[in-house]
Amino acid sequence: DGGITQSPKYLFRKEGQNVTLSCEQNLNHDAMYWYRQDPGQGLRLIYYSQIVNDFQKGDIAEGYSVSREKKESFPLTVTSAQKNPTAFYLCASRQDRAEPLHFGNGTRLTVT
Amino acid sequence: AQSVTQLDSQVPVFEEAPVELRCNYSSSVSVYLFWYVQYPNQGLQLLLKYLSGSTLVKGINGFEAEFNKSQTSFHLRKPSVHISDTAEYFCAVRDNTDKLIFGTGTRLQVFP
Repeated sequence: DGGITQSPKYLFRKEGQNVTLSCEQNLNHDAMYWYRQDPGQGLRLIYYSQIVNDFQKGDIAEGYSVSREKKESFPLTVTSAQKNPTAFYLCASRQDRAEPLHFGNGTRLTVT
Repeated sequence: AQSVTQLDSQVPVFEEAPVELRCNYSSSVSVYLFWYVQYPNQGLQLLLKYLSGSTLVKGINGFEAEFNKSQTSFHLRKPSVHISDTAEYFCAVRDNTDKLIFGTGTRLQVFP
């Protein structure tokens, strides 16, 4: 079955450490997205990529970085510069503008 | 910039009762509209989408939504809810900037 795999499901880190969240898709989708979800705030866009080797900042990119070296992979690094990194992170992909996003099951990051 | 408003953060309802979850968006230009459902600690699943054509859109699990251009609304309805419909529901709009903007979500709580 095609889909989006996010790993790990739960991640714990100490403050000051960088951490990388994995997102892999086998849907052959061109565009991939990272969202952050906090209670009562909906989903906020961190970064997105419409094609390999290209990506754009979303609304809350500060303290995050991404890469898109392969079509199927779009890892997100949460750096120590991110002031409040504890959140639920969702990766998504789509084939074209008229199609809905397909979501992974998320990674819950806790930084203490 | 486009924005999405879900006025009700929580909607409690008894099983087998009808429900309406409200969604309004800010722009009357051509948009694609979506409703997603999220169960605890999971990603988002597409319920239904409006791209063009008939203003009444039917989705999965017995849900439907009506696109009203003059009122810039896209309310989600179900004539008879089940306990299993308890979840968080997100309205989203994609406009010509290609970003998908989410509302803050409505938590539907179905009681026996």
